[in-house]
Amino acid sequence: DQQVKQNSPSLSVQEGRISILNCDYTNSMFDYFLWYKKYPAEGPTFLISISSIKDKNEDGRFTVFLNKSAKHLSLHIVPSQPGDSAVYFCAATLTYNNNDMRFGAGTRLTVKP
Amino acid sequence: NAGVTQTPKFRVLKTGQSMTLLCAQDMNHEYMYWYRQDPGMGLRLIHYSVGEGTTAKGEVPDGYNVSRLKKQNFLLGLESAAPSQTSVYFCASSYGGGVEVLNEQFFGPGTRLTVL
Repeated sequence: DQQVKQNSPSLSVQEGRISILNCDYTNSMFDYFLWYKKYPAEGPTFLISISSIKDKNEDGRFTVFLNKSAKHLSLHIVPSQPGDSAVYFCAATLTYNNNDMRFGAGTRLTVKP
Repeated sequence: NAGVTQTPKFRVLKTGQSMTLLCAQDMNHEYMYWYRQDPGMGLRLIHYSVGEGTTAKGEVPDGYNVSRLKKQNFLLGLESAAPSQTSVYFCASSYGGGVEVLNEQFFGPGTRLTVL
């Protein structure tokens, strides 16, 4: 039972354009969401997060949007750079019990020069 | 400051063999986790620990055991390896749970395990 889904296994965008990665979740109890970035042969690294009390969180070129009614979040990267090419994982958890973080299957982003 | 390290990086086992994966962190984190990553599945939690001497089951604990004898180390054991345990294993640690800004987990580089 995958509670967090990333339905696009891959995404290819041109350098300088916007990348939009999507994530859906089924468990309405989740109240904290994170995006991790993973390069080959490395572990995932934290990128950005958002609490359910917000609908947007921005950090430089990265913005995460949360639509609680639709149980949907998205990561926007503007402008996209070749160094952004990686696998992006969406994750969801509970703020006061983050022992069971659920991850999506990941989306492989390729940014072409 | 090495962060989270995992030993070994690669391993090939035969069915029925046993092995232990070692995870070490130097960030004085209370919480530690073991995940497995399979194609198309994302990361799934095997076991976790909320402090030295404690362990708990995650989403997919069957076939694995863990121990947290020291705060900085978290061991994952496979007593009798099966081909279904072929996967990439990631260890992670975090400061704690319950405070929004501290939910970030720091991951090791992974161990690629193949069971023949």
